[in-house]
Amino acid sequence: AQKITQTQPGMFVQEKEAVTLDCTYDTSDPSYGLFWYKQPSSGEMIFLIYQGSYDQQNATEGRYSLNFQKARKSANLVISASQLGDSAMYFCAMRVFGQAGTALIFGKGTTLSVSS
Amino acid sequence: NAGVTQTPKFRVLKTGQSMTLLCAQDMNHEYMYWYRQDPGMGLRLIHYSVGEGTTAKGEVPDGYNVSRLKKQNFLLGLESAAPSQTSVYFCASSYEGLSGYTFGSGTRLTVV
Repeated sequence: AQKITQTQPGMFVQEKEAVTLDCTYDTSDPSYGLFWYKQPSSGEMIFLIYQGSYDQQNATEGRYSLNFQKARKSANLVISASQLGDSAMYFCAMRVFGQAGTALIFGKGTTLSVSS
Repeated sequence: NAGVTQTPKFRVLKTGQSMTLLCAQDMNHEYMYWYRQDPGMGLRLIHYSVGEGTTAKGEVPDGYNVSRLKKQNFLLGLESAAPSQTSVYFCASSYEGLSGYTFGSGTRLTVV
């Protein structure tokens, strides 16, 4: 069975600092995708970044990067130069390829608070 | 704008009442999903559909029914609402494979 684990219920960081949000996953399938979503207090789900299991390089999207360590089954999100607007809940999620109808499974989330 | 639209955005029900949440997408996505979000639990899959006329159970299907009579619509029904169904409900759609989702803006449901 697939599983996503986020062990940090809350993280605190100051503006302009970098922060790493942890995510570990469990699957026996060789082909899968890993996603990070941001949920601000307004409630919408915002896609941040994607990493495929066969991708050779770590994904980057602006200030977001995904530290993908396949052997350790970890997919940590790194936010560089935090901004006040980064304060939100962050979800790690996984989708397994090849199984009809497989849905994203989500971790329980990490609340990030950025202070000035 | 293209995307996923959920109606209603807010609803208060009394225990035992029924209601239907509507999800509509205009991206021609094959797959559609219903999740519920509860504090400290992340998003949990209720039901999903891989195409028009098909539905399947997710992780927490009890107390809910779904229908996908048209490709663009995915309905979530509560036949007899219970306080345990107080939650925020998200609909999402996607292409098959490893693509990500497009989410609706959510429905906040309170059952009293």
